[in-house]
Amino acid sequence: SQQGEEDPQALSIQEGENATMNCSYKTSINNLQWYRQNSGRGLVHLILIRSNEREKHSGRLRVTLDTSKKSSSLLITASRAADTASYFCATGLNSGGSNYKLTFGKGTLLTVNP
Amino acid sequence: EAGVTQFPSHSVIEKGQTVTLRCDPISGHDNLYWYRRVMGKEIKFLLHFVKESKQDESGMPNNRFLAERTGGTYSTLKVQPAELEDSGVYFCARSQDWTIRNTIYFGEGSWLTVV
Repeated sequence: SQQGEEDPQALSIQEGENATMNCSYKTSINNLQWYRQNSGRGLVHLILIRSNEREKHSGRLRVTLDTSKKSSSLLITASRAADTASYFCATGLNSGGSNYKLTFGKGTLLTVNP
Repeated sequence: EAGVTQFPSHSVIEKGQTVTLRCDPISGHDNLYWYRRVMGKEIKFLLHFVKESKQDESGMPNNRFLAERTGGTYSTLKVQPAELEDSGVYFCARSQDWTIRNTIYFGEGSWLTVV
């Protein structure tokens, strides 16, 4: 069954505005990672937040995690046209031994208009 | 920064042909993953190597897909024979360990089109 699910599926904003993307998941996790994918390119790692953390910052990015609600949010402040991309959340779970993998959501397509 | 090199970057093959995708992670990273995203679907896990051993291959769609990791260094993913539904992007990823601090870094992907 699908684990992560991003909301909204698509978001269009003006440069300088803030963009908030949400991610919900169904099962327990060890951590949650956010990735960006520019059109036709690979997945770029943005930030990892562990299950015992509630908030992390990296530059213009702010990620929150609420394990009681099984949800996370990614906030991009003062957005730029270069932030236009698809954003994915991925839940990480160690299922025993060295069995660890990520489960991805469908992603949010962010368009930042100049 | 990703430290994962994938080859070829793009490939167009005919249905029934064979394609082999290669992934070269930077050295010292025991964990290697393959994921793929077919058209309109989510990014899905295929398999996980720890060194040269397959730790988890539960995501491999069928026996037309064969992954290997010789000597725990580079990995190959072979699709034989390729079908139309195999079209998509195949990502390779690496990580240093499997703890909760585990950051997984992805390559640029191999974009496969089966016609």
